[in-house]
Formats: sequence, C-alpha cells, structure tokens
Amino acid sequence: EVQLVESGGGLVLPGGSLRLSCAASGFTFNNHWMTWVRQAPGRGLEFVANINQDGSEKNYVDSVKGRFTISRDNAKNSLYLQMNSLRAEDTAVYYCARDSGHSSSSVDNWGQGTLVTVSS
Amino acid sequence: DIQMTQSPSSLSASVGDRVTITCRASQSIITYLNWYQQRPGTAPKLLLYAASSLQSGVPSRFSGSGSGTDFTLTISSLQPEDFGTYYCQQSYSTLWTFGQGTKVEIK
Repeated sequence: EVQLVESGGGLVLPGGSLRLSCAASGFTFNNHWMTWVRQAPGRGLEFVANINQDGSEKNYVDSVKGRFTISRDNAKNSLYLQMNSLRAEDTAVYYCARDSGHSSSSVDNWGQGTLVTVSS
Repeated sequence: DIQMTQSPSSLSASVGDRVTITCRASQSIITYLNWYQQRPGTAPKLLLYAASSLQSGVPSRFSGSGSGTDFTLTISSLQPEDFGTYYCQQSYSTLWTFGQGTKVEIK
C-alpha cells in the first residue's frame, strides 16, 4: 500500500523558516516525480513545486521561487520542502503527492497533509 | 501561466441526476487535463486523467471529455457519496494549475 506521511508543519512567525518532510513507502520512490501541493484555509488547490526522479529537475510556482526549495533523498525514500522567508499567504495545508506516471501528469496518491500557519 | 476556469462554482442536485462540470483553459492544453474529487477534511482523489481516462478503482458513472481548451466532467447518475469539491488540473505546463473548484451538494 502506498503511504505518504508528512511532518514538520506548525506555527511560525512571518519571515521564519520551516522544513517539511514526507516519508514514502509502499512503492519504488525513485521511479516517480514528486510534488508539493498546498491548500489555504477554505481555498482551492495550488501547485507549489515538483522534482524529478533523480532531483536534477525542479519547478516552482512563481510565488515561492527564491524562498522555497524542494529536494529528495532516494536512499531514505523521503521528500522535503525547505520554506524560508515565510509570509502570511503561505498559510495552508501542504500535501506531499506522488505523480501517477500517466501520460498526463497527475497525482494518484496524496499524504494526509501538514498545516503550516504563518502568524505573529 | 495557464489559467483554468471551472463552471459552475457550485451546484445542488438530487441522487440519480446527471451532473456536468466544465473546465476551460486559457490556452490549448491538448488533453493534458485531470479531474479530482475532494471531500471535506480529506486529500483529493484522482478521478480521471488525460481528459477521459478513468483512474483505477473509480466508478464508471464518472466520465470526461474534451480537448484543446474545453473539457467536461460528467457524473451519469449522482450518488450520495459524490458530494464534495471537484477540481480540474492541467499538466500541459510543468507548472501545474488547478481550477477554482466546483462544490457539489446533494439535495
């Protein structure tokens, strides 16, 4: 069974930093692109960043470029999101997501999400 | 960025009704279009990918169509468990974007 378990969320002051982690199991981690998707309270889904199988290609939504860094450790079956210079508008549930590998890239497995709250 | 616009924003329908949700892209995305269902308090669930391919385990009452800029998700006979918010998502660009969502309520 595919499992994605996020950790590292919490309350942080504006301008602060957090590192989210996602522990993957039940599948061959290094065969899949991985993605972070976030959802602000009461709002829709927003792509944050994704990373290819060996970590050589990364993409970011414009609003987080230069502040967030996605990475992975295939030996540890883990995905990370380093978030710096956090802003109130970064407050959201952050989901770790596995790319399906379908011809149209999509998410076929999601974590339960971890809440990040940026507030003074 | 490719903008995705869904309509309607919300709908209320009865069990057994046929329900249609549309999604329009700001430019052609060929068939790089996926649909998700999200029930309150849970992660989204993939329903359809590549505009019309049913994800494994998803009931056949869900179907999708379209190409280019206009796409449709159809639920042929609405069931009680189909409540929630539905999102379209394009993967034509490496920077994915989602529609704003369509909330489906059961009358």
